[in-house]
Amino acid sequence: ILNVEQSPQSLHVQEGDSTNFTCSFPSSNFYALHWYRWETAKSPEALFVMTLNGDEKKKGRISATLNTKEGYSYLYIKGSQPEDSATYLCAFSDGGSQGNLIFGKGTKLSVKP
Amino acid sequence: DGGITQSPKYLFRKEGQNVTLSCEQNLNHDAMYWYRQDPGQGLRLIYYSQIVNDFQKGDIAEGYSVSREKKESFPLTVTSAQKNPTAFYLCASSPVAAYNEQFFGPGTRLTVL
Repeated sequence: ILNVEQSPQSLHVQEGDSTNFTCSFPSSNFYALHWYRWETAKSPEALFVMTLNGDEKKKGRISATLNTKEGYSYLYIKGSQPEDSATYLCAFSDGGSQGNLIFGKGTKLSVKP
Repeated sequence: DGGITQSPKYLFRKEGQNVTLSCEQNLNHDAMYWYRQDPGQGLRLIYYSQIVNDFQKGDIAEGYSVSREKKESFPLTVTSAQKNPTAFYLCASSPVAAYNEQFFGPGTRLTVL
């Protein structure tokens, strides 16, 4: 059974703090790793899709790294803002099952002004 | 505006009744997906379809049925055989390539009374 673990489950930070969280996934048969942001009352939105070991992606203050050999990805938020408050989901694909995604339970980030 | 719509937003059903959740997309995506979210759990795949008139079971298909008669539409029927239907249901679509990001609808919250 393929399992995707995210930690921490929740995180409370002050505005301006930088933060990071982890996604662990099976290191064998890796195909892609996705990060999504899910704000309350909205639809999940894709942040990054990462496919190569060592990939680093950046979008504004948010960046992500990927280590497929050891099976983890980090998501970093620099200078957190209240609008960053959301649940951050990672999802793993092994390329089998037509590339379907296996989601972690998410990390819920709350940024206090 | 391109996107995915789901209706209704909230749905109440009496035990023993079938109910159909709507999902429509105008993104011209080939693949469509249904997920279920329960408290404290990651998104779990119910059914997916890579092409019109074809669909496959996901991890938790029991008690559900789908159809894909048109590219734009992928309705999900929650049948009376589904033992714990109360949940939040998300529909998604993506271009057919396996590592492409998925685009999500706003979700339907189903409550069985």
